Amino acid sequence: DAKTTQPNSMESNEEEPVHLPCNHSTISGTDYIHWYRQLPSQGPEYVIHGLTSNVNNRMASLAIAEDRKSSTLILHRATLRDAAVYYCILRDPSTNQAGTALIFGKGTTLSVSS
Amino acid sequence: NAGVMQNPRHLVRRRGQEARLRCSPMKGHSHVYWYRQLPEEGLKFMVYLQKENIIDESGMPKERFSAEFPKEGPSILRIQQVVRGDSAAYFCASSPARRGNTGELFFGEGSRLTVL
Repeated sequence: DAKTTQPNSMESNEEEPVHLPCNHSTISGTDYIHWYRQLPSQGPEYVIHGLTSNVNNRMASLAIAEDRKSSTLILHRATLRDAAVYYCILRDPSTNQAGTALIFGKGTTLSVSS
Repeated sequence: NAGVMQNPRHLVRRRGQEARLRCSPMKGHSHVYWYRQLPEEGLKFMVYLQKENIIDESGMPKERFSAEFPKEGPSILRIQQVVRGDSAAYFCASSPARRGNTGELFFGEGSRLTVL
């Protein structure tokens, strides 16, 4: 899987938007961009994923650059419960039609202050 | 629809004992993944299994660790002769086997192993 680069940590205030960046300059045409997060003492949780177009769901939005070499996870209004480690992961489903393991990097630790 | 169930949630073992961690995937999921998270570190992939088959065990230590996913029952991660360095959180994830699956994994809450 291609490599991603994320800042080690970011800080935010409650009720403000948060933009979590991810660089993936070696992304291939068939790589999907996945975001997971891990709250303290819990298992990772799926957040969102996309291929080329921007994506929205109830948790977040994913903005993908036109050249796909970077993406941004957007939390529209941060809450204290959003404090977690956020992982940006590339995955090519064509390598195994049934699914292959996600390879986690170090992620970005998001702190949210009230 | 129940999520991925792991048990025990907490397990304490003395050095040299065996640890068995169980994972029941989500209903309808036939693929299971095990990850290990050492204290203050990231998640490391260990093994990927389908029913009765090990697909990828590239992250498994060569000795003392084994995993299975039988036709009936949960997936088991077994650690023989545990050492203090095995103390970690072990997470299980599952996914369905749909063609064209883009790969969302559903994780359990983890089993936290402490070796005294």
